[in-house]
Amino acid sequence: SAVISQKPSRDICQRGTSLTIQCQVDSQVTMMFWYRQQPGQSLTLIATANQGSEATYESGFVIDKFPISRPNLTFSTLTVSNMSPEDSSIYLCSGLYNDGYTFGSGTRLTVV
Amino acid sequence: SQQGEEDPQALSIQEGENATMNCSYKTSINNLQWYRQNSGRGLVHLILIRSNEREKHSGRLRVTLDTSKKSSSLLITASRAADTASYFCATDAGSGGSNYKLTFGKGTLLTVNP
Repeated sequence: SAVISQKPSRDICQRGTSLTIQCQVDSQVTMMFWYRQQPGQSLTLIATANQGSEATYESGFVIDKFPISRPNLTFSTLTVSNMSPEDSSIYLCSGLYNDGYTFGSGTRLTVV
Repeated sequence: SQQGEEDPQALSIQEGENATMNCSYKTSINNLQWYRQNSGRGLVHLILIRSNEREKHSGRLRVTLDTSKKSSSLLITASRAADTASYFCATDAGSGGSNYKLTFGKGTLLTVNP
């Protein structure tokens, strides 16, 4: 199965700053996704990362706040912009490949 | 909106007992999957059941799917302390495009006491 390396694993950031999270897959995946998991909650899809074009965002999420890039089939980044304490969450990337889905280990973000 | 709803939200059992978690969903699905998450880390895929299947086994795991009731259950037999984690169901509608995105339930926090 495909393996995703996600980094950083955790970070503490000042409000008003931005953080970029990276995911690298060890093999090609057909689709990549970004999820947010707020404290004690389930996963909510932020967007589908499209190779070489703009990501497809879910309701409630906008590109200015969560810009996403996917320059090739194995790499994607999510930026959390102009952070506030409400952005404190775990962010996870996921990839869909032939045999199913794989997830990164998550980035635990705390905004102070 | 959230597709799946798990119950119970939290379950505490003794080692050796069986644990049953349930999941309900609202729309037609292609697959239903169960995932495990330890202490807010990444998700580990446990088992997938397709919409045309009714029951599936994998080691100590047994999953059932009732598409008429739009519900699934995950049974963990002979539980161990190491099974302590959050368990989520997730569904996808399949058949291309945005239907491949997963929709997660709220999850069940399982605590297995030694």
